[in-house]
Amino acid sequence: GIQVEQSPPDLILQEGANSTLRCNFSDSVNNLQWFHQNPWGQLINLFYIPSGTKQNGRLSATTVATERYSLLYISSSQTTDSGVYFCAVPPHDMRFGAGTRLTVKP
Amino acid sequence: DTAVSQTPKYLVTQMGNDKSIKCEQNLGHDTMYWYKQDSKKFLKIMFSYNNKELIINETVPNRFSPKSPDKAHLNLHINSLELGDSAVYFCASSQIGGRGTYNEQFFGPGTRLTVL
Repeated sequence: GIQVEQSPPDLILQEGANSTLRCNFSDSVNNLQWFHQNPWGQLINLFYIPSGTKQNGRLSATTVATERYSLLYISSSQTTDSGVYFCAVPPHDMRFGAGTRLTVKP
Repeated sequence: DTAVSQTPKYLVTQMGNDKSIKCEQNLGHDTMYWYKQDSKKFLKIMFSYNNKELIINETVPNRFSPKSPDKAHLNLHINSLELGDSAVYFCASSQIGGRGTYNEQFFGPGTRLTVL
């Protein structure tokens, strides 16, 4: 099955800093999702992005399917951005990466 | 309205008991899933149901049995609970597209199961 690797595993930022999270996958995919799991455990959909670039406020994501990676950019980080960020790819189920644990300090 | 809902949110029970977790989605999706998240935050698929038929059954113990009375519901029944079953269980749903494409999945809030 598809292997999904995320980096870095842990990231600590000061509020206001920018960051880039990476997701590599081992086979071609026709879809990819980014999620944020907040400190209360909720899984929040960030992006559904099989290819190209999407932006939503301070967050943006880029997937280069031909090179088998996706990037999540967080600009001007806030303490509420803290939590674990997952990327996940189909097929019919979702293979999740191990996540990047982000801590944003005030 | 909540898109994917689960009940209960917390479940604390003794080893050996039988329990169920319910899931409902109001998105009109044709596929529903159960995931298990362990203490290290690894998320793993357990079951997937498409139009009330099982299409994935990863290697989970047969003490776990999904039941789908209709497309909008996928319940998880667990027999003879063990300490290792303690985890957070997430329900999700999506709509499978044409030619086997997989559309965005939406997750419920999770059920934290603690087995004592």
